[in-house]
Amino acid sequence: AQSVTQLDSHVSVSEGTPVLLRCNYSSSYSPSLFWYVQHPNKGLQLLLKYTSAATLVKGINGFEAEFKKSETSFHLTKPSAHMSDAAEYFCVVSEVNKFYFGSGTKLNVKP
Amino acid sequence: NAGVTQTPKFQVLKTGQSMTLQCAQDMNHNSMYWYRQDPGMGLRLIYYSASEGTTDKGEVPNGYNVSRLNKREFSLRLESAAPSQTSVYFCASSRNRGENEKLFFGSGTQLSVL
Repeated sequence: AQSVTQLDSHVSVSEGTPVLLRCNYSSSYSPSLFWYVQHPNKGLQLLLKYTSAATLVKGINGFEAEFKKSETSFHLTKPSAHMSDAAEYFCVVSEVNKFYFGSGTKLNVKP
Repeated sequence: NAGVTQTPKFQVLKTGQSMTLQCAQDMNHNSMYWYRQDPGMGLRLIYYSASEGTTDKGEVPNGYNVSRLNKREFSLRLESAAPSQTSVYFCASSRNRGENEKLFFGSGTQLSVL
């Protein structure tokens, strides 16, 4: 069985400060893990994915995520937030070709 | 490249009416999916198809039926729409598990059931 828990429904940061969006997962298999972003009234865009090649994954727009098997976590980080990062972020686990989404974290970036 | 195309973009139904959401992909993907997106709940998997001729229930299949007509097309049918089915629906497709595994999404259908 699989599940994805995004620990914060809303995160607010100031522009130029670090971003941390938290995700925990459970899976019966060796999962693939993803982060997707959805800007207001837009579709979903892949930020990055983990498929066991390396535990630290670099994505687009300066985002990174670290896979920690012992903690079953896949947290998303960015060193310095930009106004354009304001969006909703989804952690996703893939198991046997099915993709399961977390409930989402809305990131607000203050000037 | 068209990618994943879903129609219609918007639809308003009355309770009890039926409709079919259409989805097609031109990337030769085996797997296709239907999701619904509701505020605070992320995207929830309605149905999934691993290949032509096969379908499988997801997290929230009640009130929906699907058809995998061929490798390209995967339709979602609401036989008797209910207000609880007001949502944004996304079709998606993917390559199979491996280095190139990722979801490709359609642009979404905003459905309101009155």
